Amino acid sequence: EVQLVESGGGLVQPGGSLRLSCAASGFSVNSNYMTWVRQAPGKGLEWVSIIDKGGSTYYAESVKGRFSISRDNSKNTLFLQMNDLRGDDTAVYHCARGSRAGNTGLWFDPWGQGTLVTVSS
Amino acid sequence: SYELTQPPSVSVSPGQSASITCSGDKLGNKYACWYQQKSGQSPVLVIYQDTKRPSGIPERFSGSNSGNTATLTISGTQAMDEADYYCQAWDSNNVVFGGGTKLTVL
Repeated sequence: EVQLVESGGGLVQPGGSLRLSCAASGFSVNSNYMTWVRQAPGKGLEWVSIIDKGGSTYYAESVKGRFSISRDNSKNTLFLQMNDLRGDDTAVYHCARGSRAGNTGLWFDPWGQGTLVTVSS
Repeated sequence: SYELTQPPSVSVSPGQSASITCSGDKLGNKYACWYQQKSGQSPVLVIYQDTKRPSGIPERFSGSNSGNTATLTISGTQAMDEADYYCQAWDSNNVVFGGGTKLTVL
């Protein structure tokens, strides 16, 4: 069964750091696009970052320079290192597996259950 | 940066058809996909590559994409379809989500 399980969320002070993990089963993270998407309380989905099959990484402008996406193929796990956290980073963070079609198609399935990150003093 | 616009809410009576639109500049030149998110749950892919349904998604869900607008249509809407729906596209290595539409089945 294809499954994603996130962990690592919690309460952190502004300016602090946190590392999220996303453990995959049923497929290999290094053979797929993998992404992080967040959802602030009561708000919509916001894309955060993506890593492609070749290891190239891309970030939303709101997190560029503060967040870093990576993967450990031996552990079949995706990570999101979050530094210099702010209050508006408070959200549930989901990881998801991506599939691509040509140069204009990219979709995500499945999604993990999410892990809550709260940035507050 | 690329933007996708959805109506905040759509209402439908049980058994009727519901259409949710997603607008973006030349969106028809890209592939659009749609996610369903029920309260307290993670998003679920319901349409990809404009018109395709993943395994396990009921046939009453369909999609189209032309010009500047992608549309998700739910035929014979059921109470279980009440949820938030998000469109999504990919533009210049950036993933873009619409703001979401709350579907209410009255």
